[in-house]
Amino acid sequence: KNQVEQSPQSLIILEGKNCTLQCNYTVSPFSNLRWYKQDTGRGPVSLTIMTFSENTKSNGRYTATLDADTKQSSLHITASQLSDSASYICVVNPNNAGNMLTFGGGTRLMVKP
Amino acid sequence: GAVVSQHPSWVICKSGTSVKIECRSLDFQATTMFWYRQFPKQSLMLMATSNEGSKATYEQGVEKDKFLINHASLTLSTLTVTSAHPEDSSFYICSAGLAGRYEQYFGPGTRLTVT
Repeated sequence: KNQVEQSPQSLIILEGKNCTLQCNYTVSPFSNLRWYKQDTGRGPVSLTIMTFSENTKSNGRYTATLDADTKQSSLHITASQLSDSASYICVVNPNNAGNMLTFGGGTRLMVKP
Repeated sequence: GAVVSQHPSWVICKSGTSVKIECRSLDFQATTMFWYRQFPKQSLMLMATSNEGSKATYEQGVEKDKFLINHASLTLSTLTVTSAHPEDSSFYICSAGLAGRYEQYFGPGTRLTVT
């Protein structure tokens, strides 16, 4: 069983709408949790990084939350744009793992006009 | 800052040939570099971790003699796919990290197609 599970696997929304992507993890303890955006055919780009003690982190229209008690994180996208169409990957950096990362399977988001 | 480049961005080769992919950290010295493989609609899968000047550590199931990794300097790591086969066709992504810091900076990826 993957230690980082994301839902939904894919999502289609209309331009201008908001959406929330979910990430459940079992990796514990962990140093930090990240959300990446990956455009098709490109490498991942970091959106947010939260340490285990942080509850929320924003980056423009992207807001990530973290609930360490329930081991859940979410990424909320506000006022979606066509350019938000991409895969969003939740990644956990376990404690004492240095730079090693545990990847979720990603959510493929498509924003339609 | 923290830019990682890969070259080439895409390559097509014939079955049985070898292909080298370069990964460079452009504005910082990377103590550790990671190589990932990504198949369509799947997430990144770590292949190996390399530290400058030492042998790479390969993940279970990754053949070290087929995927040769050289981390010759703090700014350059290379992945050579030897005797490539069509099933090696994939998107290869490298990332670079700094000692004592948990951030990884990803390259743009290299699309390999073996015909």
